[in-house]
Amino acid sequence: NAGVTQTPKFQVLKTGQSMTLQCAQDMNHNSMYWYRQDPGMGLRLIYYSASEGTTDKGEVPNGYNVSRLNKREFSLRLESAAPSQTSVYFCASSASSSYNEQFFGPGTRLTVL
Amino acid sequence: DQQVKQNSPSLSVQEGRISILNCDYTNSMFDYFLWYKKYPAEGPTFLISISSIKDKNEDGRFTVFLNKSAKHLSLHIVPSQPGDSAVYFCAAVRRIKIIFGKGTRLHILP
Repeated sequence: NAGVTQTPKFQVLKTGQSMTLQCAQDMNHNSMYWYRQDPGMGLRLIYYSASEGTTDKGEVPNGYNVSRLNKREFSLRLESAAPSQTSVYFCASSASSSYNEQFFGPGTRLTVL
Repeated sequence: DQQVKQNSPSLSVQEGRISILNCDYTNSMFDYFLWYKKYPAEGPTFLISISSIKDKNEDGRFTVFLNKSAKHLSLHIVPSQPGDSAVYFCAAVRRIKIIFGKGTRLHILP
């Protein structure tokens, strides 16, 4: 039982490049989330998916797109990376759309040069 | 405009004693509050939550107190153990919106 997995663990991009962060959960959870954490800051919600087939914007959605591919997978895409998107990205899932008892992945550390 | 504030960046506590982590908020409309624990290079782990209509919730060594009039919540860890050394985040939820504090680093001293 792996819980929430994220790939890649580390990534370096040049300004303007695109990439997709992958997230998968094996707990049969309905809801999934993407957060970013900047140094010395709390987590900020980028996008969330309350259930398969739905996605909604969080606090900081600009510059990102998401896809809820199926119940297990929720990907985050940066179409044209900017240095301001340098951050650690966390994916999470929960059984319901309540934030109670979210399970987090280990994070992806992204640097945009 | 920080809606959720953790004013102590770090806290050191002797092993076996009580650790008290504090969090203040500005919006009285939050529905519930949560505490997360985070080790380096790992994702946060959910610890405990409290509804805005409660003033206390307890789970083992962890107790969260909510003082609505002061817009203040605190997490008590008793007794503190070495494995409690981590960064602790409080978070507040209003409908689908979640706001995290910046975190407090807790050091448990031997």
